[in-house]
Amino acid sequence: LAKITQPISMDSYEGQEVNITCSHNNIATNDYITWYQQFPSQGPRFIIQGYKTKVTNEVASLFIPADRKSSTLSLPRVSLSDTAVYYCLVGGQNSGYSTLTFGKGTMLLVSP
Amino acid sequence: DVKVTQSSRYLVKRTGEKVFLECVQDMDHENMFWYRQDPGLGLRLIYFSYDVKMKEKGDIPEGYSVSREKKERFSLILESASTNQTSMYLCASSLSRQSHSNQPQHFGDGTRLSIL
Repeated sequence: LAKITQPISMDSYEGQEVNITCSHNNIATNDYITWYQQFPSQGPRFIIQGYKTKVTNEVASLFIPADRKSSTLSLPRVSLSDTAVYYCLVGGQNSGYSTLTFGKGTMLLVSP
Repeated sequence: DVKVTQSSRYLVKRTGEKVFLECVQDMDHENMFWYRQDPGLGLRLIYFSYDVKMKEKGDIPEGYSVSREKKERFSLILESASTNQTSMYLCASSLSRQSHSNQPQHFGDGTRLSIL
């Protein structure tokens, strides 16, 4: 199983770009990297997923270096509503779902 | 939009009781998952199922079992509840295993279970 490490917490201000890095040194060849966002009293919600290089959607970008041992979730110009816990997930169905491993989450606090 | 519904938001049970947590999804997803979420530990996979009557163990299956008799419903069973099973339980579903890419999971809002 991949060992996942991400910062426990991060602070930012409205309008700034936030980068959250996840370390996954023993990622397997078939593993994907997925990021989820979770608000209090809700289940996690899918943000973005990638396998290598860079992926961008309407809410975030995901940067994955060539060795795939880490990944960085980038949130452009955060707002107060981006205050949440962000989870990195490594693994997936090509590796077998039993390999799915979540990081312990990064609590992002956005201040005015 | 996919909806994953967990039958209870809060549940209080006693040690030794048999506890059933129910989860229903409305989008014909093949895969369903049960996680528990604890402070400082994140989400840990208990069991998953990729088809009716099929199940696979996750990281922490001990003390739990599951049932998937219909495609839309996935039940988590605590055979004899213990205090260390007090936790937030999250159910999720994803589309299919017949794809080379990893299917995003859609989560319910969780059941906070307390075992006294």
